[in-house]
Amino acid sequence: DAKTTQPPSMDCAEGRAANLPCNHSTISGNEYVYWYRQIHSQGPQYIIHGLKNNETNEMASLIITEDRKSSTLILPHATLRDTAVYYCIVRVPRSGNTGKLIFGQGTTLQVKP
Amino acid sequence: DADVTQTPRNRITKTGKRIMLECSQTKGHDRMYWYRQDPGLGLQLIYYSFDVKDINKGEISDGYSVSRQAQAKFSLSLESAIPNQTALYFCATSGRDRDTDTQYFGPGTRLTVL
Repeated sequence: DAKTTQPPSMDCAEGRAANLPCNHSTISGNEYVYWYRQIHSQGPQYIIHGLKNNETNEMASLIITEDRKSSTLILPHATLRDTAVYYCIVRVPRSGNTGKLIFGQGTTLQVKP
Repeated sequence: DADVTQTPRNRITKTGKRIMLECSQTKGHDRMYWYRQDPGLGLQLIYYSFDVKDINKGEISDGYSVSRQAQAKFSLSLESAIPNQTALYFCATSGRDRDTDTQYFGPGTRLTVL
């Protein structure tokens, strides 16, 4: 799985868009970008994933650069409940012996009133 | 995710006791996983199962065993609990999604071994 780099922490004002960057410069052609988040001591929550096209769902938008070396997760209207650690994971689906997800350090997003 | 449930949510036990953590899912997924998370650290894979007849050890399986009773149920047992097994335990599932294997996690079990 390709290595990802995320800023350790970010702040965002409530009601504003939160833009969380992720660098994955060694990504290969068949690797997807997944985003998860973990709110304190809760189970990690799947947010969104994509291969090369931008994606949007009810939770967030995922913008992947044309060269696929970086991506941005956008929470359009952050709320206090979005305060969490956000993980960017790059991997080939259903590959490898275990299917294990490797969570790096992630970005701690603090949404402030 | 309410489609993946774990019981109990919290458990305090004593050293040497046998403990079973249970996981059920209604997502119809074929793959199930047990992870452990220690404070401030990432998730470590304990066991995983790709279908009912397939059970595999993860990176930290010593001291643990599992049972896949049905496609929807995957239990984790600590045969003789020890204090350094105090941690958060998460079950996850993934299925035959269209060209992906997104994992969905349960709410977790907080286990304390005294």
